[in-house]
Amino acid sequence: SAVISQKPSRDICQRGTSLTIQCQVDSQVTMMFWYRQQPGQSLTLIATANQGSEATYESGFVIDKFPISRPNLTFSTLTVSNMSPEDSSIYLCSVEDPTGAGFGQGTRLTVV
Amino acid sequence: QKEVEQDPGPLSVPEGAIVSLNCTYSNSAFQYFMWYRQYSRKGPELLMYTYSSGNKEDGRFTAQVDKSSKYISLFIRDSQPSDSATYLCAMRKNNFNKFYFGSGTKLNVKP
Repeated sequence: SAVISQKPSRDICQRGTSLTIQCQVDSQVTMMFWYRQQPGQSLTLIATANQGSEATYESGFVIDKFPISRPNLTFSTLTVSNMSPEDSSIYLCSVEDPTGAGFGQGTRLTVV
Repeated sequence: QKEVEQDPGPLSVPEGAIVSLNCTYSNSAFQYFMWYRQYSRKGPELLMYTYSSGNKEDGRFTAQVDKSSKYISLFIRDSQPSDSATYLCAMRKNNFNKFYFGSGTKLNVKP
């Protein structure tokens, strides 16, 4: 299965600022996914990122708040913009795997 | 109603016990079923992957799917303290379709 590297692993940010999370995969993948996992909660899909096209956002998530880039088949970024304490969460990058979904280690974001 | 329901626990068992983790779902179109294990401060890792109904065994882990009841289970035999983690069920309708996750069950195996 694909090896997924995500960084930063954690960060503490001031409200009103933005943070860009990077996701690197060791093989070419068509679709990459970004999830949010709030404390004690399950995974919520933010958006699906295909190379060469605009990301597809789930209900409740908008591009202005969570812009995504997908410049090639092995890399994607998620930006959390104009952060508020409610954005404190774990953000996970995921890729399609023949037997399910593989995940990065996650980025633990705390907004103060 | 959530698409996937999972008891959040926590579930606490002694070492060596058989653990049963369960999820129910409402959409009969789900065909692919997965169990993930998530240690604290880590991303989820895939444990078991099954298609349609039936059982699948891998070492101490057995995944069971009952589509008629819309019910899936994960059994852990001879549980170990290293099994202490949160277990997430997930399912999807078909390949390249979105995943639906349960809320996770926190398991604690006491030495």
